Amino acid sequence: GAGVSQTPSNKVTEKGKYVELRCDPISGHTALYWYRQSLGQGPEFLIYFQGTGAADDSGLPNDRFFAVRPEGSVSTLKIQRTERGDSAVYLCASSSQGAGTGELFFGEGSRLTVL
Amino acid sequence: RKEVEQDPGPFNVPEGATVAFNCTYSNSASQSFFWYRQDCRKEPKLLMSVYSSGNEDGRFTAQLNRASQYISLLIRDSKLSDSATYLCVVNPSGAGSYQLTFGKGTKLSVIP
Repeated sequence: GAGVSQTPSNKVTEKGKYVELRCDPISGHTALYWYRQSLGQGPEFLIYFQGTGAADDSGLPNDRFFAVRPEGSVSTLKIQRTERGDSAVYLCASSSQGAGTGELFFGEGSRLTVL
Repeated sequence: RKEVEQDPGPFNVPEGATVAFNCTYSNSASQSFFWYRQDCRKEPKLLMSVYSSGNEDGRFTAQLNRASQYISLLIRDSKLSDSATYLCVVNPSGAGSYQLTFGKGTKLSVIP
């Protein structure tokens, strides 16, 4: 069966540009998460969706970051006016239950480089 | 103090060796704990949960010490394929059941 799919796998952009990163979770998983992983760091929580709604967006670093999941399946992470500090791997994960079980299924990530 | 702290390593060990990783967490109310494995330039994957009574899965043993807020992972008879970064993960109480906090990871290299 298909795992979590993320596109693009790599994105190079210039400072100030707008970027969209897409996540297609495992079919039937209602919970979807975005994490960001910088070099040498562990994944850092950004936002969590349960169904269509953002249940917790407390990890988004500022208002340049926004994410949607309009139909409760595919999600898009949107970054406006990108900065060099936004360079990281953006990981999407899904689960059939809450993360209390600990098992999140991650995609391979979208590597964003802001020049 | 960071929420989850790990020695980043690298740990370079010969095949067949036993290696142990430690992790400390700051939130004493944390309820659940996990070890994830991340291969180079790949996504993290759940290795095992950590239970209060300790648990074993083949060559891997995980232990939890709530009094010291300390988690460990022991790997026996290391294989070349164990080379990866091991992430200590905590589900902190109060953050809901959905938010996992990851440590920076400990890098293991198993040498032939």
